[in-house]
Amino acid sequence: DTEVTQTPKHLVMGMTNKKSLKCEQHMGHRAMYWYKQKAKKPPELMFVYSYEKLSINESVPSRFSPECPNSSLLNLHLHALQPEDSALYLCASSQRDRGSGANVLTFGAGSRLTVL
Amino acid sequence: RKEVEQDPGPFNVPEGATVAFNCTYSNSASQSFFWYRQDCRKEPKLLMSVYSSGNEDGRFTAQLNRASQYISLLIRDSKLSDSATYLCVVNDEAGGFKTIFGAGTRLFVKA
Repeated sequence: DTEVTQTPKHLVMGMTNKKSLKCEQHMGHRAMYWYKQKAKKPPELMFVYSYEKLSINESVPSRFSPECPNSSLLNLHLHALQPEDSALYLCASSQRDRGSGANVLTFGAGSRLTVL
Repeated sequence: RKEVEQDPGPFNVPEGATVAFNCTYSNSASQSFFWYRQDCRKEPKLLMSVYSSGNEDGRFTAQLNRASQYISLLIRDSKLSDSATYLCVVNDEAGGFKTIFGAGTRLFVKA
């Protein structure tokens, strides 16, 4: 079982709907991420939170709104999405490896979003 | 030029074969390197970090060549269960959060 839990696993929404994706980790990781992955493409970074503050926003449209209520939770609020936003949305968390100093990502199973 | 480039694949190999994947990165300041594995419709999972001196984990060997900005993954004695997409992953700075994924290489191991 993955240590990063995402809900819901599947979501179908219309272009006028408002919905949220949720992510939770209890590994004590201080950085959390949202990635978007289209079919047969690599994950693309959307947002990074470090110590509950937004650290990176990769020029993501404002119809995607991240929120980090505490160090264990990460939400992605969705509003007025387009059909091309249909994708797998992956949450990840990371901890710095003490030896290498690298941030090693642990991914959740993802939320598969379909926008009609 | 893409930041992280991988062999296009797919690679179709018989069980027991040795297969090698290559990856190049464009940012010479990149500090951390990884190989992730992704099964169909699943999340990526860390296969191994790549260290400057090269490292081995069972049947898997990773190499890093900083001068050529090149990373490789060697899989020996391929198993059916090795069939997956292998993603080359680069972090742009020590402890940085901006992790760049290569497009991935599909591997099919056949009986």
